[in-house]
Amino acid sequence: GAVVSQHPSRVICKSGTSVKIECRSLDFQATTMFWYRQFPKQSLMLMATSNEGSKATYEQGVEKDKFLINHASLTLSTLTVTSAHPEDSSFYICSARHRAGNTIYFGEGSWLTVV
Amino acid sequence: LAKTTQPISMDSYEGQEVNITCSHNNIATNDYITWYQQFPSQGPRFIIQGYKTKVTNEVASLFIPADRKSSTLSLPRVSLSDTAVYYCLVGDEDYQLIWGAGTKLIIKP
Repeated sequence: GAVVSQHPSRVICKSGTSVKIECRSLDFQATTMFWYRQFPKQSLMLMATSNEGSKATYEQGVEKDKFLINHASLTLSTLTVTSAHPEDSSFYICSARHRAGNTIYFGEGSWLTVV
Repeated sequence: LAKTTQPISMDSYEGQEVNITCSHNNIATNDYITWYQQFPSQGPRFIIQGYKTKVTNEVASLFIPADRKSSTLSLPRVSLSDTAVYYCLVGDEDYQLIWGAGTKLIIKP
């Protein structure tokens, strides 16, 4: 099946710093990519939807200035958590919609720990 | 977007067939039904997708009755490694927007 890769898989950063997470579709072009966060033992919560070459659409309650999303190409989207705080610690997951259909494939996820 | 309802948890034993049913009474004409599997600390993995009747692939089958108000994911001869959370999602292009709690499946030896 189609592969979506996230990097890094785990990252620890100091409070107040920024951290970037990359999401790549390795063997297909993705017109749309999605970013989620998931707290332990909870379901996925959609943060934002991004289309290649345009601004991301953020879900209600998600601060766009804090969670910067860039979708520069059909195979790469990045999520930057700016001025991170301990409460931003979470599991962040990206997904990508295959350009040829409506099936969505997920990355492996990235654990962010802010200390 | 159609809301889905699944059992919160299920138990079964190795070698058994497991059926997980999802209710989606408000499914729309253009909606597909998609199932994902998620292990702890991993992203969800696509299992199967269908629109009506029956769909089968190498890992599962998906049964959808004529009224499409429910669907059943069938996992044949489960093993311990099938212990995971299974999510049912319904929608067209936007089916990934709302994730329910999923069904936590525990397989016992």
